[in-house]
Amino acid sequence: GENVEQHPSTLSVQEGDSAVIKCTYSDSASNYFPWYKQELGKRPQLIIDIRSNVGEKKDQRIAVTLNKTAKHFSLHITETQPEDSAVYFCAASKNRADYKLSFGAGTTVTVRA
Amino acid sequence: EPEVTQTPSHQVTQMGQEVILRCVPISNHLYFYWYRQILGQKVEFLVSFYNNEISEKSEIFDDQFSVERPDGSNFTLKIRSTKLEDSAMYFCASSELDSDNEQFFGPGTRLTVL
Repeated sequence: GENVEQHPSTLSVQEGDSAVIKCTYSDSASNYFPWYKQELGKRPQLIIDIRSNVGEKKDQRIAVTLNKTAKHFSLHITETQPEDSAVYFCAASKNRADYKLSFGAGTTVTVRA
Repeated sequence: EPEVTQTPSHQVTQMGQEVILRCVPISNHLYFYWYRQILGQKVEFLVSFYNNEISEKSEIFDDQFSVERPDGSNFTLKIRSTKLEDSAMYFCASSELDSDNEQFFGPGTRLTVL
């Protein structure tokens, strides 16, 4: 089955700096890679996703890159703000409506004011 | 914006008791999932459900677990005889028929087994 590794486990950045979280996956058949943000005690919320037909996707201050050959993908948050503090999970799946998400272990991001 | 809802938000039960966790998926969604998250750990897949059948289940989803869509709106997870290690946050999720697997999560039910 799919195995998703995520690094780092914790990340502390100064407000305004960038944060980068990296994930690798094992199943070359995976082709859908969402990122979820989970604030303390809340549900995971999808913030951005990428499919294997593109290498990069950007939405305002967040961007995701995908390297299918190396089987890794990354989340980039620029100009970080205190409200970006949360746990971020990467996941991998097949691009099929009924297929499970396999999650990474999560990265706790703390943005220092 | 429509959201997945779950009840109760917190369930406390004694070991060996049965619990039913309830979810109302987004109304036009046809694929349903249960995931769990043990405190401080990653979100783990339990089961997926489509067209009144289980599509896939993980090794966690043993004979103690069952799912049901009893009516047109609810999706339930039953744990027959709870164990201490079943204590976790249980998330329901749903996705559309042609959604390319974008899954929307509910707020979760925190299950505490004493």
